Amino acid sequence: DSGVTQTPKHLITATGQRVTLRCSPRSGDLSVYWYQQSLDQGLQFLIQYYNGEERAKGNILERFSAQQFPDLHSELNLSSLELGDSALYFCASSVDAGAVDGYTFGSGTRLTVV
Amino acid sequence: DAKTTQPTSMDCAEGRAANLPCNHSTISGNEYVYWYRQIHSQGPQYIIHGLKNNETNEMASLIITEDRKSSTLILPHATLRDTAVYYCIARLYSTASKLTFGTGTRLQVTL
Repeated sequence: DSGVTQTPKHLITATGQRVTLRCSPRSGDLSVYWYQQSLDQGLQFLIQYYNGEERAKGNILERFSAQQFPDLHSELNLSSLELGDSALYFCASSVDAGAVDGYTFGSGTRLTVV
Repeated sequence: DAKTTQPTSMDCAEGRAANLPCNHSTISGNEYVYWYRQIHSQGPQYIIHGLKNNETNEMASLIITEDRKSSTLILPHATLRDTAVYYCIARLYSTASKLTFGTGTRLQVTL
């Protein structure tokens, strides 16, 4: 157990729907990162939050949004889902925004869009 | 962040040392070298990182050449559980931080 908790572990939904993925960072970590891993794209950085504020953005689609709440948990919202959004979504956390000592990843949410 | 180049795949016999090379010839003086691994669809796992000096922890050793253009991750006694994709990443320290993962090296540890 890495200490980063992601729920749900599996999610199956239909095209056009909206889902919310949740991440609780490791205790004491203030920064949260979201990554998408699909078969043909590898691990892609989506977005970083630090203590509730957005810090860095990757190639995140406009249909996707995220936020970090005062209790430091984070949610990734995916809307108007397409078949191509099927992927593993990983959350990671670090003590600070610089993450010199690396990230701790959760076990991921497997999203299947049918 | 500097581009890194790794072999696509490697094999290693169980109990032997696994030496995973990484080339980062364009790395700048203040870019760190990080190693992560991903065991089949699990979340990536941090292994080790370094800037200039060689580093060792309970998982592995990191050897960085003097010119910093390449590095080697050493797993001293590989086990079957070390079978994974290993990612070498060069990253400039920033508080707007992201790790850019490449395709990595698929290490297969065999009996």
